[in-house]
Amino acid sequence: DAGVTQSPTHLIKTRGQQVTLRCSPKSGHDTVSWYQQALGQGPQFIFQYYEEEERQRGNFPDRFSGHQFPNYSSELNVNALLLGDSALYLCASSLVGSRGTTYEQYFGPGTRLTVT
Amino acid sequence: DAKTTQPPSMDCAEGRAANLPCNHSTISGNEYVYWYRQIHSQGPQYIIHGLKNNETNEMASLIITEDRKSSTLILPHATLRDTAVYYCIVITLMDSSYKLIFGSGTRLLVRP
Repeated sequence: DAGVTQSPTHLIKTRGQQVTLRCSPKSGHDTVSWYQQALGQGPQFIFQYYEEEERQRGNFPDRFSGHQFPNYSSELNVNALLLGDSALYLCASSLVGSRGTTYEQYFGPGTRLTVT
Repeated sequence: DAKTTQPPSMDCAEGRAANLPCNHSTISGNEYVYWYRQIHSQGPQYIIHGLKNNETNEMASLIITEDRKSSTLILPHATLRDTAVYYCIVITLMDSSYKLIFGSGTRLLVRP
């Protein structure tokens, strides 16, 4: 059973460019969350997708957008890249259970984005 | 979301128990305590979670104080592969889903 997969593994972009990162959730999961982790810091929540809609969002500008497809995979798009966007971008998947049930989030290995 | 306080670093000897503390004095009644760890260059890994009662699984034990203002993650027999950053996170479930608010965590070094 494949876990969470992300592509690409590494990416180098120039300031002002746009980037798209991809995530395939763990089999059976229907919810995808994205996190940004700067060097030496804990991951920061960007947003979460369920049923192809953004259901929660962290404190990130509109330059960060996403999408979830019918097969539950997801994309993270970042426009007008800044040097400060250089980070490890993590995708996590989970399963929305019935009310009152909790399920842990499974993380992928991340995409390392470098903006020059 | 309630905030947590963890020591920045700890170490323990291989084979001994590692006890990682976490303070969450502002936790409210419907908030859970989750623990994740992140081994270098990997994504975070779920360890355990609890609400009021102590919990144990194949990886660790979680001890939550009666007033729920603090908790301790116990790795009963630490190995070198347990060297990682450990995050204590307090979350509120929203429609059975949640977002993780990571702090700085505790960097655990397991010594040979």
